[in-house]
Amino acid sequence: AQKITQTQPGMFVQEKEAVTLDCTYDTSDPSYGLFWYKQPSSGEMIFLIYQGSYDQQNATEGRYSLNFQKARKSANLVISASQLGDSAMYFCAMREGEDSSYKLIFGSGTRLLVRP
Amino acid sequence: DADVTQTPRNRITKTGKRIMLECSQTKGHDRMYWYRQDPGLGLRLIYYSFDVKDINKGEISDGYSVSRQAQAKFSLSLESAIPNQTALYFCATSDLPTGEGTGELFFGEGSRLTVL
Repeated sequence: AQKITQTQPGMFVQEKEAVTLDCTYDTSDPSYGLFWYKQPSSGEMIFLIYQGSYDQQNATEGRYSLNFQKARKSANLVISASQLGDSAMYFCAMREGEDSSYKLIFGSGTRLLVRP
Repeated sequence: DADVTQTPRNRITKTGKRIMLECSQTKGHDRMYWYRQDPGLGLRLIYYSFDVKDINKGEISDGYSVSRQAQAKFSLSLESAIPNQTALYFCATSDLPTGEGTGELFFGEGSRLTVL
């Protein structure tokens, strides 16, 4: 079974509009963390935002926010005021397990294209 | 200079050849990882190491081996390369998710391997 599911292989958004990238996860561990990474066409992996399972508030980092719905097991990334430079692949990832054994598991990614 | 450095960045080789991808880091992290990225599949974990004496298989370790020569160095080998090992390979490091830390992965720039 997929641990991390990103159901949108590709998405378009108009410049300056907001966009939501979906991510659902599956874990029975009460302690876990959720991450979003951005991969521009140059290939590097850029960390965007993190949400811990015990965090009460949704994480925000500048124009990025994470819509964390624990009961639904979803951790959607919201990008506000899209910019052309936001065009990239976006990966959702989950860390689960005790501190001594955890590792990150990634979704298949969503390719976002921002239209001018 | 990058905190996580991978060499080579690009490599074309032939079926049956032995290939080594090297990774070194200056972050001082104990934990190091090798991931493979294929289109539509996201990043999949090949091997990971939590300290110099600890090596663990990930979800797709067949056909690969690793060596943790020092805290800062973690190498991935393909003993006899085959075409379906053509992919983008990432080395990453992380710290424990303690205190304010998230346990995020810090990635190298990637090594693009083509096996003909």
